[in-house]
Amino acid sequence: GDSVTQMEGPVTLSEEAFLTINCTYTATGYPSLFWYVQYPGEGLQLLLKATKADDKGSNKGFEATYRKETTSFHLEKGSVQVSDSAVYFCALSDHAGGTSYGKLTFGQGTILTVHP
Amino acid sequence: DVKVTQSSRYLVKRTGEKVFLECVQDMDHENMFWYRQDPGLGLRLIYFSYDVKMKEKGDIPEGYSVSREKKERFSLILESASTNQTSMYLCASSSPSGRINEQFFGPGTRLTVL
Repeated sequence: GDSVTQMEGPVTLSEEAFLTINCTYTATGYPSLFWYVQYPGEGLQLLLKATKADDKGSNKGFEATYRKETTSFHLEKGSVQVSDSAVYFCALSDHAGGTSYGKLTFGQGTILTVHP
Repeated sequence: DVKVTQSSRYLVKRTGEKVFLECVQDMDHENMFWYRQDPGLGLRLIYFSYDVKMKEKGDIPEGYSVSREKKERFSLILESASTNQTSMYLCASSSPSGRINEQFFGPGTRLTVL
């Protein structure tokens, strides 16, 4: 079945440091890939997404590129802020239509803490 | 602004009690999902529904049931709560249009079973 593996956390960085959170996946076909973020005390919010190979998703300074050859979707940000402290989830989706219903498969989540 | 709401943010129940968690979405979405979130395990799908009165088991359905009598409402039921069901429960909804299946999440219900 489909699976998503994220780098182990927690990750602790100083403000303005460079961030990478690794994500690799196993799936049949051509899934869509997502990064969700969960701020303290809140539900998950979509951060960015990519639907096909070589697509780059970007939002709020975060980027991730859909790499089919390495089955990866690593999250990067050039300069993190204290407000980026949250839990980050990588996820993949089979496609809606037929009997797939667009279910998401999540990685285990990576806790990011940014210090001033 | 799209919205998924859950009936409680925090809930404390006793072992053996019947527990209802309610989720309502205002986006006219066909699909609705219930997940549980545990540290180190990410989100795991309990049940989902793709239409009124329709339901499908997810990865960890044991000990849970669901009800969807109206399109906007999806309920998760713990028939007899146990301590290993202490967790954060998240509801989500999506619309099966196109290839991008973005799910919209509620704020979560943190359930403690004593």
